Amino acid sequence: EIVLTQFPGTLSLSPGERATLSCRASQSVDRNYLAWYQQKPGQAPRLLISGASNRAPGIPDRFSGSGSGSDFTLTISRLEPEDFAVYYCQQYGSSPPTYTFGQGTKLEIK
Amino acid sequence: QLQLQESGPGLVKPSETLSLTCTVSGGSISTTDYYWGWIRQPPGRGLEWIANINYGRITFHNPSLKSRVTISVDTSKNQISLRLKSVTAADTAMYYCATPSGNDAFDIWGQGTVVTVSS
Repeated sequence: EIVLTQFPGTLSLSPGERATLSCRASQSVDRNYLAWYQQKPGQAPRLLISGASNRAPGIPDRFSGSGSGSDFTLTISRLEPEDFAVYYCQQYGSSPPTYTFGQGTKLEIK
Repeated sequence: QLQLQESGPGLVKPSETLSLTCTVSGGSISTTDYYWGWIRQPPGRGLEWIANINYGRITFHNPSLKSRVTISVDTSKNQISLRLKSVTAADTAMYYCATPSGNDAFDIWGQGTVVTVSS
């Protein structure tokens, strides 16, 4: 079973700054099937990125994903007030199909 | 546009079986070639995938929960159901219905339903 470790656990930044969130897998992620989600209090998670770097429909271009193998990054180029939330990474393994989430990174206002 | 709505009992006693339903609107389970899944989130904690099913009743489970989980579809009601037996306090969580339309990531989510396990 692949374990995803996200770091940092908490990231304190100001609006307008650049955020870099990391997700490391215990082994290589099958075909870079790595997704990122944003979750705000009291809401369901929202898909931001799939396939490591593909933005979901309607997601602003300040969100970008990169990485391959076992190291992945979510970058928010210029933080907007609405971006402060918890972010999760998730991998998909296809044989058999399984989904594993990281423990999350909380992005808070400094 | 597909929408998912979960429903459940809210409170379940320890050792009993939890039963949840997800109603799909804006599309038909039987004509949509998607998998439909359940994901849970204990209070203040992260996300845990439980299981997926498609209209052909092909299922995939989280190995850590497989022995206690039954997932099913009712195409006549356009619903997906989850049963989790022998619940304990550790099963207290928000339970989400979600679909990975592209298989690898969950792009459509319901609002979730809270389940508390307590006597």
